[in-house]
Amino acid sequence: KAGVTQTPRYLIKTRGQQVTLSCSPISGHRSVSWYQQTPGQGLQFLFEYFSETQRNKGNFPGRFSGRQFSNSRSEMNVSTLELGDSALYLCASSSDNSGNTIYFGEGSWLTVV
Amino acid sequence: AQSVSQHNHHVILSEAASLELGCNYSYGGTVNLFWYVQYPGQHLQLLLKYFSGDPLVKGIKGFEAEFIKSKFSFNLRKPSVQWSDTAEYFCAVNSDNFNKFYFGSGTKLNVKP
Repeated sequence: KAGVTQTPRYLIKTRGQQVTLSCSPISGHRSVSWYQQTPGQGLQFLFEYFSETQRNKGNFPGRFSGRQFSNSRSEMNVSTLELGDSALYLCASSSDNSGNTIYFGEGSWLTVV
Repeated sequence: AQSVSQHNHHVILSEAASLELGCNYSYGGTVNLFWYVQYPGQHLQLLLKYFSGDPLVKGIKGFEAEFIKSKFSFNLRKPSVQWSDTAEYFCAVNSDNFNKFYFGSGTKLNVKP
């Protein structure tokens, strides 16, 4: 069974630009959540989608947004990039949204210059 | 909001030494508890989890963790570490039956051969 797949794996953007990251969950999983990982802040929850609906949102500015498609694939978007947005963005999927185990992808490394 | 504290940021051990990594959380209600591990160059993987029942849970690769409700703790243990256990270990808590996980800041374990 294929794991969680994230694309692109690495990208460099300039301040002010926007970026879209993609996540394909494990087959059959309907919940997709996103986390930002930085050395200083650790892993921080961004948002979670279940059956195309955002169920939870973390404490990030509105520049961070996401969506989920009918096939459970998810995208997250960051607009007006800032240097502080440089991080590893992790996607995780789960079979449901009941607080069960989440399975992580390898992440997308974003560098903002 | 919940928080998760991992007391040791960096641990260095020799092979065959015993390991205990501390994890404390701040939430008085029912919680699901997890330990994830990130080996160098790999994605986060589930090590073990506790939902209910026996507070001593066993995971993969000889790891175990004990949930002590009165101390709000979920410490990770291994009787004898190996060089291959070199990795970063994250404690995580979920309490609201949704897939919003709170992670500790991580503990980097370096096992010397």
